[in-house]
Amino acid sequence: AQTVTQSQPEMSVQEAETVTLSCTYDTSESDYYLFWYKQPPSRQMILVIRQEAYKQQNATENRFSVNFQKAAKSFSLKISDSQLGDAAMYFCAYKRLGAQKLVFGQGTRLTINP
Amino acid sequence: EADIYQTPRYLVIGTGKKITLECSQTMGHDKMYWYQQDPGMELHLIHYSYGVNSTEKGDLSSESTVSRIRTEHFPLTLESARPSHTSQYLCASRETGFGPAATNEKLFFGSGTQLSVL
Repeated sequence: AQTVTQSQPEMSVQEAETVTLSCTYDTSESDYYLFWYKQPPSRQMILVIRQEAYKQQNATENRFSVNFQKAAKSFSLKISDSQLGDAAMYFCAYKRLGAQKLVFGQGTRLTINP
Repeated sequence: EADIYQTPRYLVIGTGKKITLECSQTMGHDKMYWYQQDPGMELHLIHYSYGVNSTEKGDLSSESTVSRIRTEHFPLTLESARPSHTSQYLCASRETGFGPAATNEKLFFGSGTQLSVL
């Protein structure tokens, strides 16, 4: 079975600095998707960024970028120029191609210090 | 912005009560999901639906049931609530598309229902 592991329960960063959240996963599949979702306090969970496993190029969305290492099964999220609004729980997720469900990691609570 | 709605936002009830958590989306998405999430923990899939009259159980065993009579509506029911059912329940949906890879892989989430059973 596929598993997703986020080894950092909590992280904090100073406003305007850069932070990296770690995620590793275990799968025997070669075609899959990886995601980072953000869950702000008392607000809807939203998609931050996604990566197709067949793409070698790392996905980027404005201040958010990933470091996808397929061989190492690693999928870290880098947030540049951290803002107060980035404070949230961040979940890494995996989905096998053609599957219906996402497998989520345990989450990392990110705090932004002003 | 996501057009997926869950009601109620918070619910506190006594043991043994029957409850229904509502989830509706106006995006015409075929696929809908219910996740259970304890505070600060990962999400666990408890039910999903491919479309009308199609429902499946997820990975986490749940005493709840779901129905999908209309595309936009995916309610979750607990016939007899117990304290062990206390949790946050998140509803999500996504479209079935045939566009570029991953364009239809985005999940839209509702705001969740925080259920407390006393």
